[in-house]
Amino acid sequence: AQSVTQPDIHITVSEGASLELRCNYSYGATPYLFWYVQSPGQGLQLLLKYFSGDTLVQGIKGFEAEFKRSQSSFNLRKPSVHWSDAAEYFCAVGDSSGAGSYQLTFGKGTKLSVIP
Amino acid sequence: DSGVTQTPKHLITATGQRVTLRCSPRSGDLSVYWYQQSLDQGLQFLIQYYNGEERAKGNILERFSAQQFPDLHSELNLSSLELGDSALYFCASSASGRANTEAFFGQGTRLTVV
Repeated sequence: AQSVTQPDIHITVSEGASLELRCNYSYGATPYLFWYVQSPGQGLQLLLKYFSGDTLVQGIKGFEAEFKRSQSSFNLRKPSVHWSDAAEYFCAVGDSSGAGSYQLTFGKGTKLSVIP
Repeated sequence: DSGVTQTPKHLITATGQRVTLRCSPRSGDLSVYWYQQSLDQGLQFLIQYYNGEERAKGNILERFSAQQFPDLHSELNLSSLELGDSALYFCASSASGRANTEAFFGQGTRLTVV
């Protein structure tokens, strides 16, 4: 069965500093990978996705992620964090068990705090 | 705004009761998914419907059921509620049921069982 591990439960960074959130996945085939962000009291917003091709993918709000098959990782990065980036971030892998069936398996999330 | 609408936003009910959560998917999306988010379990997939048919089932309790109607909206029914059912329930939708599909999430329904 597929699984996603986000090793860091909580990360605190200073505004303007760089950010890297770690994600490791376990999946038998080619993974479809996603990063979602959840602000307090809000739903999940898709930041970026990897389906195939270029292993460095760009997303919204200045985020990027790099897929590394050899390390089973899909880490999220941002060169300069803004106070508005404070939120919880979820890595997910998409899995299809048959025709027309689909589900996302999420990691436990990483809560990001930003110090002004 | 993702285009996925969930009602109600908040729900407080007593143990043993039954509630219905409603989801309207994005216009044109045929797949609807339900997820439960709780502090101890995180985000858990419950069930998927595609164009009215159940397509995938996750960690959904027997006390819970769902359906997707001809107009593609979906309802999640939770019965014999227990304190542990308190959680944030998300609905998501996508255009297809394939794995390389972007799912759009609603704002969620926060259920509190007292």
